[in-house]
Amino acid sequence: DIQMTQSPSTLSASVGDRVTITCRASQSISTWLAWYQQKPGKAPNLLIYKASNLESGVPSRFSGSGSGTEFTLTISSLQPDDFATYYCQQYYTYSTFGGGTKVEI
Amino acid sequence: EVQLVQSGAEVKKPGESLKISCKGSGYTFTNYWIGWVRQMPGKGLEYMGSIWPSDSDARYSPSFQGQVTLSVDKSITTAYLQWSSLKASDTAIYYCARLGRLYCSATNCHNDYWGQGTLVTVSS
Repeated sequence: DIQMTQSPSTLSASVGDRVTITCRASQSISTWLAWYQQKPGKAPNLLIYKASNLESGVPSRFSGSGSGTEFTLTISSLQPDDFATYYCQQYYTYSTFGGGTKVEI
Repeated sequence: EVQLVQSGAEVKKPGESLKISCKGSGYTFTNYWIGWVRQMPGKGLEYMGSIWPSDSDARYSPSFQGQVTLSVDKSITTAYLQWSSLKASDTAIYYCARLGRLYCSATNCHNDYWGQGTLVTVSS
């Protein structure tokens, strides 16, 4: 199985901050990586696919980068609606998710 | 509008069987894989497997192979996840999620639309 490791597991930030979340794969996955946002009691919501492609309707303050084994999700200016948990997902072989990063105040 | 609507919450006893559903609408159901994801209480997301509604080709993540069964009824655009004998450790929220069709690897894809989730509680 390909393991996905996210860091940090919890991140304290303020409105307006630039936030970066890292996801590392246990082997190369090219750019077959997605990022999701999940709020309490809700289903995950797709933000980024194929490492850097912004899903339609997602604000441009979200961006993704990386390839191979190291990836980042960046929120350029954190908004109140962005406090949530973020997951990365590899879909190079089967599919596995990272452990999640909770972004809190 | 693409929608995936899942069946309601279930409370079951250990050893009982269960089948939960996910009805797709607003798109051509047979043209997209449907995946299932488990989220145990307070935990992260785990990919269980996916199914191709056109011919019911099902692919399971190794951790879930033999533990659950995926099926579909394309005549009513509905996918199913079932257990033959539930355990307390099956207590979780289960999501169905459509796989995208563009920018996908040879074997899998990101999940672009999600159902609202079905809470399954297994307790004696």
